[in-house]
Amino acid sequence: DVKVTQSSRYLVKRTGEKVFLECVQDMDHENMFWYRQDPGLGLRLIYFSYDVKMKEKGDIPEGYSVSREKKERFSLILESASTNQTSMYLCASSLYRNSYNEQFFGPGTRLTVL
Amino acid sequence: GIQVEQSPPDLILQEGANSTLRCNFSDSVNNLQWFHQNPWGQLINLFYIPSGTKQNGRLSATTVATERYSLLYISSSQTTDSGVYFCAVLPNYGGATNKLIFGTGTLLAVQP
Repeated sequence: DVKVTQSSRYLVKRTGEKVFLECVQDMDHENMFWYRQDPGLGLRLIYFSYDVKMKEKGDIPEGYSVSREKKERFSLILESASTNQTSMYLCASSLYRNSYNEQFFGPGTRLTVL
Repeated sequence: GIQVEQSPPDLILQEGANSTLRCNFSDSVNNLQWFHQNPWGQLINLFYIPSGTKQNGRLSATTVATERYSLLYISSSQTTDSGVYFCAVLPNYGGATNKLIFGTGTLLAVQP
């Protein structure tokens, strides 16, 4: 079974803090994704990575950066957290770039920025 | 861009009842997935079904790609089936991004 894990289920941070959300997958997937989910707005793609050190912006990259130093790990970074970044963050992975493989999601991180 | 609509938006069932959830999409797709989001927020993969019919226990799904819709059937529902059901598609024009486009979901409540 594919397993995608995220470093925290719940996180509370203060405005202006630098926040790291970590995601790890154990199936040697090339693609990894970060989405955020908000009531009434659904799931929106923040960033996507198809290989180590490669990244592409999604629909809402402003205020976020990402890092992929190893194939299995994809980090989402909030450089200076703001209250409008309070949300549910979901990481996903899938097998190959330019393919239509199934995406698998981690358990999610509920981030609250005070 | 592609539109993904799910119906009904809300559904209340008594335990043991059957239900059908529908997903309509406005353009051709390469991938279609059904997810169940549990009360803790995790998206659980139910089906990867760009076309055809699949069954897994009490759940089954059918996608008719040429008519741009998919159906999720839940039989003999249980309280643990409660949660939000999402349909998500990967449009043909998605390119290298592989970004899934999610529907708005169906909120299912199964009462004992």
